[in-house]
Amino acid sequence: GQNIDQPTEMTATEGAIVQINCTYQTSGFNGLFWYQQHAGEAPTFLSYNVLDGLEEKGRFSSFLSRSKGYSYLLLKELQMKDSASYLCAVTRRRALTFGSGTRLQVQP
Amino acid sequence: GAGVSQSPSNKVTEKGKDVELRCDPISGHTALYWYRQSLGQGLEFLIYFQGNSAPDKSGLPSDRFSAERTGGSVSTLTIQRTQQEDSAVYLCASGPVVAGDNEQFFGPGTRLTVL
Repeated sequence: GQNIDQPTEMTATEGAIVQINCTYQTSGFNGLFWYQQHAGEAPTFLSYNVLDGLEEKGRFSSFLSRSKGYSYLLLKELQMKDSASYLCAVTRRRALTFGSGTRLQVQP
Repeated sequence: GAGVSQSPSNKVTEKGKDVELRCDPISGHTALYWYRQSLGQGLEFLIYFQGNSAPDKSGLPSDRFSAERTGGSVSTLTIQRTQQEDSAVYLCASGPVVAGDNEQFFGPGTRLTVL
């Protein structure tokens, strides 16, 4: 089976840094995706990790530790438009298994 | 546009009726996925197509759910004898065929409400 855990909600301040954690237990793990989903919209791709380490892309970075079954998404210089749900998803046989998502609220 | 499209965007139906949801993937993408998202929940995998065949149907919740894909392009998800618990947003995604994992590009979804 597969089990993916991430916090349900987080609040942060505009301009700050926030780290959203994701832990997973799965067989046949291939890689881990992070998606952003604004309310009422489709998820959009943020990052993909298959090897251990940190992947940086602008204000967003994602980290993976395969041995620990752990990933995090780091958002820097938070903007109000970053208020959204952030979905952690692990891949197995090409399909994605999603966590329930972390709803991030950025406050002024 | 060049993105994934889905129709209808909203569907309201009565319990017991059949519904068909349509997905048009990005041109050239041979992988196609269906997910559903209940209110406030994460995405639940339903079925995956590679070309016209479905190697993984493990997520279909019951035999009332079926899906097909023709011509390696358009896919329809059919729900027979709908129940209120089928109410959700049904999302389709497509991806290119390359070695390893693929980024999946999502459509806007179909919001299904079963009364």
